[in-house]
Amino acid sequence: EPEVTQTPSHQVTQMGQEVILRCVPISNHLYFYWYRQILGQKVEFLVSFYNNEISEKSEIFDDQFSVERPDGSNFTLKIRSTKLEDSAMYFCASGGLSQETQYFGPGTRLLVL
Amino acid sequence: RKEVEQDPGPFNVPEGATVAFNCTYSNSASQSFFWYRQDCRKEPKLLMSVYSSGNEDGRFTAQLNRASQYISLLIRDSKLSDSATYLCVVNGVTGGGNKLTFGTGTQLKVEL
Repeated sequence: EPEVTQTPSHQVTQMGQEVILRCVPISNHLYFYWYRQILGQKVEFLVSFYNNEISEKSEIFDDQFSVERPDGSNFTLKIRSTKLEDSAMYFCASGGLSQETQYFGPGTRLLVL
Repeated sequence: RKEVEQDPGPFNVPEGATVAFNCTYSNSASQSFFWYRQDCRKEPKLLMSVYSSGNEDGRFTAQLNRASQYISLLIRDSKLSDSATYLCVVNGVTGGGNKLTFGTGTQLKVEL
C-alpha cells in the first residue's frame, strides 16, 4: 500500500539554525500539506500546496516558514531561523483528486535547543 | 467556541465493551468529516469518513448531525488494540486546498 514517507525521523537543532524537513507524498497525489503537533496538544494545520503554489496557510506559517516541491517527488518544509517554540512533531500529508482524505506520513520530531 | 470540540477522556473500558465518542464543530460550512486514530507519538491514521446517512465499518459506526453540528463514533466489542486517541476532524474546502481542523482527541484505554 502506498504511503507518505518523511525524513529525518528526528532532528535536533540549535535556536536560530535553519532546518529542512523532507517528505515524499504518495505518487499520484496532487495536494500536499504540512501540519504540526506540539507535545500534548492537537494537530494544527500549517500550509497546503497545490499546482506548485501555496493554496492556504495558517497564522503559524509566518515568514520563517517556506515550502517547496523541488522535483516530482519531494515536498519540503524549511524553517529559516528556528525558535524554541518550533519544537514539535511535523507531519506531511498528501491527498488525491477527491480533495478529501489526507494520508499522513510518520512525522519528523523537531527539537530546538 | 472551539472549532472542533471533544471530551479528552480518558475512557477506560473493559474488553468487549461498547464505547461512544462525541464531537461538536463550530463552522456550519464544513464540508467533510472524519475520525482519525492516533497512537502515542505516531501519525494520525484515517479510521473512517463520516456521512450524513451514517456509516459503518465493522465494529465502528459513525454518525453526523449537520443541524446540531455533531459527530459521533461508536465502537462495539472493543479490543485491547483499540486503545488509542481518537481524533474528530473537520474539513472545510476553501479555495484550492483543504484545511483539516482537528479536535484535541479522546483517549481510549481498553483493559482486560
